[in-house]
Amino acid sequence: EIVMTQSPATLSVSPGERATLSCRASQSVSSNLAWYQQKPGQAPRLLIYGASTRAPGFPARFSGSGSGTEFTLTISSLQSEDFAIYYCQQYNAWPPGTFGQGTKVEIK
Amino acid sequence: EVQMLESGGGFVQPGGSLRLSCAASGFTFSNYAITWVRQAPGKGLEWVSTISGSSDVTYYADSVKGRFTISRDNSKNTLFLQMNSLRVEDTAIYYCAKGDDFWGRYSAHWGQGTLVTVSS
Repeated sequence: EIVMTQSPATLSVSPGERATLSCRASQSVSSNLAWYQQKPGQAPRLLIYGASTRAPGFPARFSGSGSGTEFTLTISSLQSEDFAIYYCQQYNAWPPGTFGQGTKVEIK
Repeated sequence: EVQMLESGGGFVQPGGSLRLSCAASGFTFSNYAITWVRQAPGKGLEWVSTISGSSDVTYYADSVKGRFTISRDNSKNTLFLQMNSLRVEDTAIYYCAKGDDFWGRYSAHWGQGTLVTVSS
């Protein structure tokens, strides 16, 4: 089973600043990686799939990059509605579709 | 508009059983794989099970294999998860999610979840 490791666990960022979240796979997952955003009390929302394709409804300040074992989610200028937990998920060696443990983006 | 609505959660003692349902609307249900994902309180996401559109293929996480059974009724646009021999560690919010690729490996549409609590 592929293990997904996200860093940092918590990221403190001021509104308007850039946030960079990392996700590492224990073996190559090609570009078969998704990112989800989850706010308190809500279901996860698909944010990125195919490592870099933004899902409908998310603005261009969100971008995904990487392939193989190293992936990055960048939020170029954090808005108040972006403070949430972000999970990466590999779906290359599926099933299971393993998730990372999440990165919480909080207000600094 | 795609909608997924889970039901059937509740409180059950260890060793007990529960059947979750997920009512779907807004898309041709039989054309899509559907997945259950769970989230223990304050924890991350865990993939549980996926069923193909025609029910011919099912997949399970090792943690639930042999205890949980996924099924669907395409005539009623409804997905089920029969959970037997429940354990304390099965306590979680259970989400159903419509697959967005052929195998249902990732999902853009999720329900709001139903809480399952296993405790003595």
